[in-house]
Amino acid sequence: AQTVTQSQPEMSVQEAETVTLSCTYDTSESDYYLFWYKQPPSRQMILVIRQEAYKQQNATENRFSVNFQKAAKSFSLKISDSQLGDAAMYFCAYRTLNDMRFGAGTRLTVKP
Amino acid sequence: DAGVIQSPRHEVTEMGQEVTLRCKPISGHNSLFWYRQTMMRGLELLIYFNNNVPIDDSGMPEDRFSAKMPNASFSTLKIQPSEPRDSAVYFCASSVGTSGRGWQETQYFGPGTRLLVL
Repeated sequence: AQTVTQSQPEMSVQEAETVTLSCTYDTSESDYYLFWYKQPPSRQMILVIRQEAYKQQNATENRFSVNFQKAAKSFSLKISDSQLGDAAMYFCAYRTLNDMRFGAGTRLTVKP
Repeated sequence: DAGVIQSPRHEVTEMGQEVTLRCKPISGHNSLFWYRQTMMRGLELLIYFNNNVPIDDSGMPEDRFSAKMPNASFSTLKIQPSEPRDSAVYFCASSVGTSGRGWQETQYFGPGTRLLVL
């Protein structure tokens, strides 16, 4: 079965510090895309970053970057200079032609 | 851009009643997805449409659930009859397309509908 695993139900970070959220996935597909979504208390699902599996270069979006290890099927999210507004649930997801799967989420708390 | 619009935002109903959730995708997007989010099962893909045609409904839990997309700017998810275990947040998302290589396009989510079935 194709799955997405987020092993950290909760994480905490001090404001302005860096935090890394883990994600592993299992798929037999060779062509797929990976995403991190953020869900604040408003429940809105907001795209944070995406990675094409065929690209070796790690995606970066401002303070957000990923560490994509294709062989290990690992896709971690690094948040630099954490801000109070980063507090939310973070979901890792992958998409293939016929499927879209989400992890169980990691709740990130940012301490002032 | 208004983003994906869902209505209602909250719905409370009694067991056995029919529930209809509505979604308006982003203009120009031709793929639409319905998801259900619960504490127990997380976020699950129920069904998705491409150019108004249902492509994969294998995630629809049972025959009580049905979804339609009569045109490019409107979709409904109906539950009839509703049951307490259907209580969840239902999200609609849209993307540019899934034809050819379009399936990799990013999905943009609506604000969700929180459904409570008593």
